[in-house]
Amino acid sequence: NAGVTQTPKFQVLKTGQSMTLQCAQDMNHNSMYWYRQDPGMGLRLIYYSASEGTTDKGEVPNGYNVSRLNKREFSLRLESAAPSQTSVYFCASSLFPEGTEAFFGQGTRLTVV
Amino acid sequence: AQSVTQLGSHVSVSEGALVLLRCNYSSSVPPYLFWYVQYPNQGLQLLLKYTSAATLVKGINGFEAEFKKSETSFHLTKPSAHMSDAAEYFCAVSDRETSGSRLTFGEGTQLTVNP
Repeated sequence: NAGVTQTPKFQVLKTGQSMTLQCAQDMNHNSMYWYRQDPGMGLRLIYYSASEGTTDKGEVPNGYNVSRLNKREFSLRLESAAPSQTSVYFCASSLFPEGTEAFFGQGTRLTVV
Repeated sequence: AQSVTQLGSHVSVSEGALVLLRCNYSSSVPPYLFWYVQYPNQGLQLLLKYTSAATLVKGINGFEAEFKKSETSFHLTKPSAHMSDAAEYFCAVSDRETSGSRLTFGEGTQLTVNP
């Protein structure tokens, strides 16, 4: 029972490099999310997809893009990484956007030097 | 926009003592409310959620939370702390009235349990 799977688990990038964080869920959930976690700031929503075929900006979307590839997969792309994007990134999914439990992946620890 | 405030970024208790983690939300209409726990180097796990069926909600690992509309609060409690409860706890809110509403998290409370 995999739940939400994120890859990679760790990544070091140089400033200006690009990368894509992958996320897949096997729970047939409609909604998927990308959060970043920084010390003392809780989790902040970057982008979300309420249902397959839709994506919307969250609280901190600048510097990121997303793709809802299909119902299972939701990727996050950093086009030109900056040190301010050093963070732990979490993907999550839920059956519906409102009122249902979100299930989280194990996180990707990203360092931009 | 919805917001949630957790009072106290760090809480320290002795093993066997009461655990009380505070959460207040800002909304005129009671939202959906959640508590999540995060153990080191792991993702978040749901402890419990309030969706309006009952004001006292019981969760996993002996935790419970009481929804108080008059105080716009959803504090998390556990009667007797265990060493394994040491973790970071997040309160989260989801708006009932907005279609496609997303989960908004508080800043987290780090719980330390002393032997």
